[in-house]
Amino acid sequence: DIQLTQSPSFLSASVGDRVTITCRASQGINSYLAWYQQKPGKAPKLLIYSASTLQSGVPSRFSGSGSGTEFTLTITSLQPEDFATYYCQQLNTSPLTFGGGTNVEIK
Amino acid sequence: QVQLVQSGAEVKKPGASVKVSCQASGYTFTNYGIAWVRQAPGQGLEWMGWISLYSGNTNYAQKLEGRVALTADKSTKTVYMELRSLRSDDTAVYYCARRISTGWYFGYWGQGTLVTVSS
Repeated sequence: DIQLTQSPSFLSASVGDRVTITCRASQGINSYLAWYQQKPGKAPKLLIYSASTLQSGVPSRFSGSGSGTEFTLTITSLQPEDFATYYCQQLNTSPLTFGGGTNVEIK
Repeated sequence: QVQLVQSGAEVKKPGASVKVSCQASGYTFTNYGIAWVRQAPGQGLEWMGWISLYSGNTNYAQKLEGRVALTADKSTKTVYMELRSLRSDDTAVYYCARRISTGWYFGYWGQGTLVTVSS
């Protein structure tokens, strides 16, 4: 199975900060990677797919980049509603797998 | 608008089975596959399997092979996830999720169903 390692696992930031989360794959996954945001008690929400394509309706302060084994999710100016847990997911190879998550909290 | 509505919370004893439903609306049912993803309390996301509503083909996570079954009823636009031989570590919120046209990225999710396994 392809392992996805997210870093950091926990991040404390302030409103307006630029935030970067990394997802590293145990083997190459081309650009078959997505990013999700999950708030407590809610289902995940798709933010980015195919590594860098913004899902419809997602604010442009979210962006994704990378290919192969290293990927990043960037939030250019953190807003109060962005405090949540973020997960990466690969679909290059079955089984589909998720990263362990990055919890973004208010400093 | 696309909606996935799941059945309610369940409490089961170890060794029992559970069947969770996911009713879809707002799109052509057979055009998009449905996957199931679960989340144990305080933990991350785990893919369980998917079903193609066009062909009926399924693909399951190896660790659940033999215990999980995904089925669909096209007449009611409902997908079912059955998990057998339940154990305490199956306690989780179970989500159904619809893929987007580009691939098995999950653009739409159900509200989640809590399944508690306890003696």
